[in-house]
Amino acid sequence: AQRVTQPEKLLSVFKGAPVELKCNYSYSGSPELFWYVQYSRQRLQLLLRHISRESIKGFTADLNKGETSFHLKKPFAQEEDSAMYYCALGYNQGGKLIFGQGTELSVKP
Amino acid sequence: EPEVTQTPSHQVTQMGQEVILRCVPISNHLYFYWYRQILGQKVEFLVSFYNNEISEKSEIFDDQFSVERPDGSNFTLKIRSTKLEDSAMYFCASRGSGANVLTFGAGSRLTVL
Repeated sequence: AQRVTQPEKLLSVFKGAPVELKCNYSYSGSPELFWYVQYSRQRLQLLLRHISRESIKGFTADLNKGETSFHLKKPFAQEEDSAMYYCALGYNQGGKLIFGQGTELSVKP
Repeated sequence: EPEVTQTPSHQVTQMGQEVILRCVPISNHLYFYWYRQILGQKVEFLVSFYNNEISEKSEIFDDQFSVERPDGSNFTLKIRSTKLEDSAMYFCASRGSGANVLTFGAGSRLTVL
């Protein structure tokens, strides 16, 4: 069955420190992976998708099919990065997403 | 930037009552979705809708739930007889025919007493 695992419920770092939010998935086919972000009291927003291979707000994520991972990284965290981050797996063209449990990132000054 | 709009932002209802949550998807989008998030839990898929019919639904989406696109712009989720466990944040999402990218609304918080 398709599954997305985000092992950390909370990740707390200091401003300027590197950040890595972990995401592992389970899917035998060709996955499409996304990172969504939810700032306080705001809507879920797309941050990254693996197909785009782009960097948004300094964040990058590389799909590692061997390790079935799609970890989100940023070399220098900023306070405004504090939010909930959700990794999601899309496994058909119908747009259905399977979400991980989410990781709350807290960046302290 | 176009947005998905949801109303109400918060609804409190008594157990057993019917609730309708409304969504206005992005105007040129063709695929519509409802997700829900129970407090402290993950975001869960409920249903997808395309070409005026349900294309996929989860096991959560039982006979108490229904969706409709009554007028070509609104997309509604109806819960016929609410239960305590229906208390959650309900997110509407839509996407166009190209990229497999969903745009989410801000959510409707449903509290069942």
